[in-house]
Parts: sequence; C-alpha cells; structure tokens
Amino acid sequence: GNSVTQMEGPVTLSEEAFLTINCTYTATGYPSLFWYVQYPGEGLQLLLKATKADDKGSNKGFEATYRKETTSFHLEKGSVQVSDSAVYFCALISGSARQLTFGSGTQLTVLP
Amino acid sequence: SAVISQKPSRDICQRGTSLTIQCQVDSQVTMMFWYRQQPGQSLTLIATANQGSEATYESGFVIDKFPISRPNLTFSTLTVSNMSPEDSSIYLCSASGQNYNEQFFGPGTRLTVL
Repeated sequence: GNSVTQMEGPVTLSEEAFLTINCTYTATGYPSLFWYVQYPGEGLQLLLKATKADDKGSNKGFEATYRKETTSFHLEKGSVQVSDSAVYFCALISGSARQLTFGSGTQLTVLP
Repeated sequence: SAVISQKPSRDICQRGTSLTIQCQVDSQVTMMFWYRQQPGQSLTLIATANQGSEATYESGFVIDKFPISRPNLTFSTLTVSNMSPEDSSIYLCSASGQNYNEQFFGPGTRLTVL
C-alpha cells in the first residue's frame, strides 16, 4: 500500500533560518506528490506539488523536488518568516486511488 | 480551483447525539471526500462520497456511524452519529475535479463532544 513518512517535529527555527522538512514515500506506480500547509485554526491549503520524477514544485519561497531514486520529496525554504509557522503535511496520490495519503505532519514554529 | 465551504465551523455536542456537517463546493466536482483529523494527528480518510450512490468507506469506518449523502455534484453531508468524546476531531471535506492531482479542502468543522 501507499505510505508517507515525514520528519518528526516540532521544528523551531529563528527567522531567516534555512528550513528542511524531510518526506519519503512508498507507493505503487508513479505517484503525484504534494505539500499541504495548515495554519493555526484553519483548513488545509495546497502549498506545492510535483507530478513526475525530477519535477520541482515551488510556491511562496518553498521548494520540493520529486526524487524517484530516493523516493523523497523534501520541503525547503531558504529564509523562513514568522508567518510560516504552521503544520506541514506531505501527501501523495498513486495508482487508481483518488484520495490522498498523508504523512503525520510537522509542526513548524518560527521565532522572531 | 474550487472554493469549499463547510457548516458548522465548530460545535460542542453532548454524548449520544448526532451532528450533520454540510460541505458546499462552488463548482461541479468529480470526487468528494471526508477526512477526520484527531487532535494533534494527521488526516485519515473516512470515505469517498459518491454522487447518487452509497459512499465508499475506508477500513474502520462504517455507514451506521458516519452516514454520508451526496445528492448532486456540488454538495455532500457527513453525519457523526451517537457521538462519544472519542469523536472529538476536525472533520474536513475535500473535492477534486477531472484533474485528480488537484484536491481542495474546506476549512474544517471542529467538533467537541462532552
């Protein structure tokens, strides 16, 4: 079956620090990969996605590259802001399934 | 993209009662889903809401506890029946169109059962 493993949190960084949140996956076939963000008290928002190997998804300064050889989709940002404090979820869709499989989520807190 | 609204946004309910959550999408969508997010946890799929037929439930979820309706392509309801404190969670509706790689989420319904 499909599964997503995320770096455990919580992660606490100072403003302008470099962020990496690791994500690896197991899937049948060729999955599409996603990062979702959940700000405090809100629902999920799609942050970025990649649908095939070597694709790079990017949005709001965040980036993630679909690495088939390492089955990974790590999220990075060069300089985080306080407003980036949220929970980040890695997820995939694969095969005939149309629903998302989520990782456990990583809580990020950015301090001023 | 699709804009999804949910009602109610939050509720506090007594043990043994039932709550129906509504999900409205601003455009016709192919797939609609219901997820549960227990406190501090990730999202777990409850079921896929099928238009005009019975929902498809994931392992561990049953129709008697979580009846779902989807009368048309833009609307679905989830009922949490005979609630207990263990049902306290955020319930999220999501939807996708012809492009299954785009899935959008509602803001969630935060349920507390006393």
